[in-house]
Amino acid sequence: AQSVTQPDIHITVSEGASLELRCNYSYGATPYLFWYVQSPGQGLQLLLKYFSGDTLVQGIKGFEAEFKRSQSSFNLRKPSVHWSDAAEYFCAVAAGGTYKYIFGTGTRLKVLA
Amino acid sequence: GAVVSQHPSWVICKSGTSVKIECRSLDFQATTMFWYRQFPKQSLMLMATSNEGSKATYEQGVEKDKFLINHASLTLSTLTVTSAHPEDSSFYICSAQGGGNTEAFFGQGTRLTVV
Repeated sequence: AQSVTQPDIHITVSEGASLELRCNYSYGATPYLFWYVQSPGQGLQLLLKYFSGDTLVQGIKGFEAEFKRSQSSFNLRKPSVHWSDAAEYFCAVAAGGTYKYIFGTGTRLKVLA
Repeated sequence: GAVVSQHPSWVICKSGTSVKIECRSLDFQATTMFWYRQFPKQSLMLMATSNEGSKATYEQGVEKDKFLINHASLTLSTLTVTSAHPEDSSFYICSAQGGGNTEAFFGQGTRLTVV
């Protein structure tokens, strides 16, 4: 069965520091992978996605993610965090081309001024 | 990207009543729509998948008689929470796929509070 694991429930970083959010997936074929951000009480905003090709994916708001098949990982990175990045981040995998997304448990990011 | 609109954004209803949530794809035909539920500070859990013109497929543990899903057209799916109870209070989000898009697009969500 497909699954997504986000090992870190909470992460706190100082503004201007670098960020890495971890995501590991379990899927039998090449997955479609996504990172979404959710502000409190809001819907989901797509940060970036990976379908195939270059394993380093650039997204919006200065985020990037790297697909590592050998590690079944799709970690999200940002070189310098801004206070406005504080939110909940979800990694997701699309199962079997059905566009039925399986979400990780989320990582709540807190940014210190 | 394609736009999916959900209505209402928030709703409060009394226990025992029913409430309907709409999910519309504004600029593409959505052959498949998905409904998710998110409890506070938790992840999104898929409730059901609906294809236009056919019955929805519910995930294990989701009561199909309580959460009625209708996908009558290629641009509209509705979720009706019947005989709502306080434990049904949650954030409900839909997504839609179709129109040759390679991903699903999410609505902005509906916060349901049952009092």
